[in-house]
Amino acid sequence: DAGITQSPRHKVTETGTPVTLRCHQTENHRYMYWYRQDPGHGLRLIHYSYGVKDTDKGEVSDGYSVSRSKTEDFLLTLESATSSQTSVYFCAIKGGGLTYEQYFGPGTRLTVT
Amino acid sequence: SQQGEEDPQALSIQEGENATMNCSYKTSINNLQWYRQNSGRGLVHLILIRSNEREKHSGRLRVTLDTSKKSSSLLITASRAADTASYFCATAPPWEQKVTFGTGTKLQVIP
Repeated sequence: DAGITQSPRHKVTETGTPVTLRCHQTENHRYMYWYRQDPGHGLRLIHYSYGVKDTDKGEVSDGYSVSRSKTEDFLLTLESATSSQTSVYFCAIKGGGLTYEQYFGPGTRLTVT
Repeated sequence: SQQGEEDPQALSIQEGENATMNCSYKTSINNLQWYRQNSGRGLVHLILIRSNEREKHSGRLRVTLDTSKKSSSLLITASRAADTASYFCATAPPWEQKVTFGTGTKLQVIP
């Protein structure tokens, strides 16, 4: 699992509440990614980071923000959760050097009621 | 929109048979990757093929790439029940450090 953990693993929250998901890696990789997975859509990139304090938007970034104050941690925040953000969220890192392979965490299942 | 589109969306075969799934994409790529996802788990990287390669093998996996047709195929030979999973292609453009995933093929291997 390339030393990637996500917390929490499951969360149920109400519409309008803020939610923060955490991704933690132990191998000092530079690139980290947040995806959401929904039926019929595969995985879609929300935000990614290419270093401490360096982040960029992905395909579906509206309603999400991210922060990376340490190499090992990449946080995804839903400022005001909506039902359309009910999904499974995956964090990933890119292998080091010239590799392009990504290694995924176990996922967080988020339900917004 | 998704860069990669897999075909078929779902595939059911008997154990021992071969499984073939296809991926089409739209723009130039540096490489194309295939991933497997078991139910309820994160994706696992299977194999990567670079844009200047036409075929690659890894164990029971065979991947082909046709850049002129912007398509790739993944062949799993002598399938096993443990191969039951969803399979995703992912494309990496030449100028970016991110990939775009397709919608996946759900493979069921019946014992």
